[in-house]
This record gives sequence, C-alpha cells and structure tokens, in this order.
Amino acid sequence: NAGVTQTPKFRVLKTGQSMTLLCAQDMNHEYMYWYRQDPGMGLRLIHYSVGEGTTAKGEVPDGYNVSRLKKQNFLLGLESAAPSQTSVYFCASSYVNRVTGELFFGEGSRLTVL
Amino acid sequence: AQSVTQLGSHVSVSEGALVLLRCNYSSSVPPYLFWYVQYPNQGLQLLLKYTSAATLVKGINGFEAEFKKSETSFHLTKPSAHMSDAAEYFCAVFRDDKIIFGKGTRLHILP
Repeated sequence: NAGVTQTPKFRVLKTGQSMTLLCAQDMNHEYMYWYRQDPGMGLRLIHYSVGEGTTAKGEVPDGYNVSRLKKQNFLLGLESAAPSQTSVYFCASSYVNRVTGELFFGEGSRLTVL
Repeated sequence: AQSVTQLGSHVSVSEGALVLLRCNYSSSVPPYLFWYVQYPNQGLQLLLKYTSAATLVKGINGFEAEFKKSETSFHLTKPSAHMSDAAEYFCAVFRDDKIIFGKGTRLHILP
C-alpha cells in the first residue's frame, strides 16, 4: 500500500525560483491537506481541499498556491520562493467522516530556500 | 475558535517511569481531539482519538488519554516508558473541516 506519496523528498531552491510539490494518495480520500512543520511551531495548515476541484486557505496560505484537479492529487506551488519558506512540508489525507477524522501523512518534503 | 495548547516543549522521563504529556483545548462545545506521534524523519501517525463515545481513550503502544471537560484537558499517559517511545507528540483538534495541531512535545527517555 503506497498510502500518501510526496515528491520530491528534498529540494534546494534559490530565492525567487518556483517549484511544485506533488502529493498523491491511493485511498480514495476526499480531504487533502498541506502542512508545514518548523521547529517549535508544530504543524501549521497551509491549504486544504474537501474534494476534487475545491481548495481553501488554512492558517498560513500566503506565498503558496494549490490545485486539486484530480481527486488523488493535491499540488502545492511556490511561485517565488523566499528563505522564510524553508521548512518540511507534509501532505495528509482523510475520509469525509468527521468522526473518524484520522489523517494519513506522507513522509515529508524538505525544502531549503537559499 | 477551537485550539489546543501543549504544556512543555520537552519532557524527560526515565525508562519504566510514568509518561504524562499535557494538552488543553479551548472550545465552547466538546471537540474531537487527537494525539499523533512523529518518529524521527517520518510523518505523523495517529495514537488515539476522542469522539465523545468514552472519556478514557486507549490507543496504540500502551498510550491512553482522558477527556476531562471540567478541566478542558486531554492529557496523554503511559504507565511505563520504553526507549522506543522517544518521539514528538502532537495534540490536535478537529475544527471546520480542518485538523489544527498544537506545537508539540518532544519526549526524551532516560536510560
């Protein structure tokens, strides 16, 4: 079972460059999320999607864009990378059932912006 | 707005001792609460969840948590720590289609 797969796992960018992180899940989940993890800050929600074709802002959306053209994929884009976006990014997915609520996480993508 | 606060960014316990990780929530209604664990260089995985069915919730690896409405708390405990429990632990709350995490507590196990 692949579960939630993130690519790439590591990336180094220069300030101003753009890139896209891809998240793919094979569990037919409706909900998908992008978080960033920074030391002492926990996980902060960037954007999320409650279904194909929908996206919504989380706690820290500035500087990021997302798209959910296919149910199984959730893309996170950085149009003009800044050093403040150096972080570990986690994608997660879940069933629609709110009572269940369990998130399934990818292994993370470590991004460094120089 | 619902949120969670974890007390103590680092907690150290001796192997075999009681583990207690603290989490308080802010909510006007009973929330859905979770504890997740993150091992080094991995994503998070669910330890246990509270969904109002029972106030004492048992999870994986011998962990449990008790929902106390009067104290707005959902503390995580384990009777006897093991070296393999060394990890970072996150309390989280379900709010408006989103799961919001606390800042995490890193658990250190002393031999």
